Amino acid sequence: QSVLTQPPSVSAAPGQRVTISCSGSSSNIGNNYVFWYQQLPGTAPKLLIYDNNKRPSGIPDRFSGSKSGTSATLGITGLQTGDEADYYCGTWDSSLSAVVFGGGTKLTVL
Amino acid sequence: QLHLQESGPGLVKPSETLSLTCTVSGGSISSGSYYWGWIRQPPGKGLEWIGSIYYSGRTYYNPSLKNRVTISVDTSKDQFSLKLSSVTAADTAVYYCARIPAGSSGSCDYWGQGTLVTVSS
Repeated sequence: QSVLTQPPSVSAAPGQRVTISCSGSSSNIGNNYVFWYQQLPGTAPKLLIYDNNKRPSGIPDRFSGSKSGTSATLGITGLQTGDEADYYCGTWDSSLSAVVFGGGTKLTVL
Repeated sequence: QLHLQESGPGLVKPSETLSLTCTVSGGSISSGSYYWGWIRQPPGKGLEWIGSIYYSGRTYYNPSLKNRVTISVDTSKDQFSLKLSSVTAADTAVYYCARIPAGSSGSCDYWGQGTLVTVSS
């Protein structure tokens, strides 16, 4: 049971837009920055979004992040087959004094 | 370019101690701008944060693992290490080391490639 809640899977057609939700509480998302990882099969996670909505150098602007209250959302526009991956949200939990993750969402580009 | 590389046994017997080292190259582990962490992923499952360390030795551990985990740092070698005691099959996972910018909420901007550790007799 993950501290943060994500849908197990989402799907959309190439070129379309998809969003992935991440729900938490006041001790984690509500009072701390959210980050998002992309994990392609057999590889290490890759940082997509940090500090709720900032993109590291080299991450295309097709990827965006937002936060409202105790929930966060990852948005991906112009879907490509190469975007098929597992996506994880994460943040610091002030009550646990630990980094917590969502269970991951598998994106399928139909 | 920063590079992190995990090393250590790929097979550990139940009840023994898992020991891994992460070697950092292309940068200094003594930079005050970063923490250094361990994250694991059981086969087919999600990510689990194990803990992190500052170059000064300050540590943060996952409460669910705290009694079994020790993370240490050797600044002279630009290495940090993980020890997990009393392992069981549930500790079988890919173990990643990573860099964590200070002031972030734990996001890792550089990762090692990961190393599979299997707990089995």
